[in-house]
Amino acid sequence: EVQLEESGGGLVQPGGSLRLSCVAFGFTSGDYWMSWVRQAPGKGLEWVAKIKQDGIEKYHVDSVKGRFTISRDNAKNSLYLQMSSLRAEDTAVYFCARDLTSFTSLTGMDVWGQGTTVTVSS
Amino acid sequence: QSVLTQPPSVSAAPGQKVTISCSGSSSNIGNNYVSWYQQFPGTAPKLLIYENNKRPSGIPDRFSGSKSGSSATLAITGLQTGDEADYYCGTWDSSLSAWVFGGGTTLTVL
Repeated sequence: EVQLEESGGGLVQPGGSLRLSCVAFGFTSGDYWMSWVRQAPGKGLEWVAKIKQDGIEKYHVDSVKGRFTISRDNAKNSLYLQMSSLRAEDTAVYFCARDLTSFTSLTGMDVWGQGTTVTVSS
Repeated sequence: QSVLTQPPSVSAAPGQKVTISCSGSSSNIGNNYVSWYQQFPGTAPKLLIYENNKRPSGIPDRFSGSKSGSSATLAITGLQTGDEADYYCGTWDSSLSAWVFGGGTTLTVL
């Protein structure tokens, strides 16, 4: 079965760091773009970061640039999100997702993990 | 303030049809593919539509997507109470070099 499983969430103090992981099952994650998407309590979806198959081309939403870094290890079928200088507004459920593409265009996210919760509070 | 604009809520009776709009600009919807997601409380989003109007396997044809210019629409026919959920549109924004989601629309089946 094709699925994604996130881990690494938890309670962290403002200014702290956390590393989220996402393992893919049932498919080769290295064949796909991959993304992180978050959802603050009671709010909508917010895309956080994307990374190409090669692990070199990557994009981050402006609000996390310089603080979060997406990376991947294709040998481990895994995706990561290194988060530092965490703020209260980073509190959210973080989902990893598999991207669909058509030639060079990103067309949607078809496989999602169940999410891992990050709470930033003192 | 989302780059893509969706109505906060829509409602319709069981069996009826409802449409959810998603308005953007030439830098996002106008020149990129639109996708739609369904989310129930406490669960992960589910892809309903990709590449503007394609359905993943397992998605019933009651769900359809369309795009015209810088706007996109999700249509749901034969509404069921089980369709009550939040719906989000999403696309790539070429100017921002970022993926963007709409603010989400809550569907109520009266």
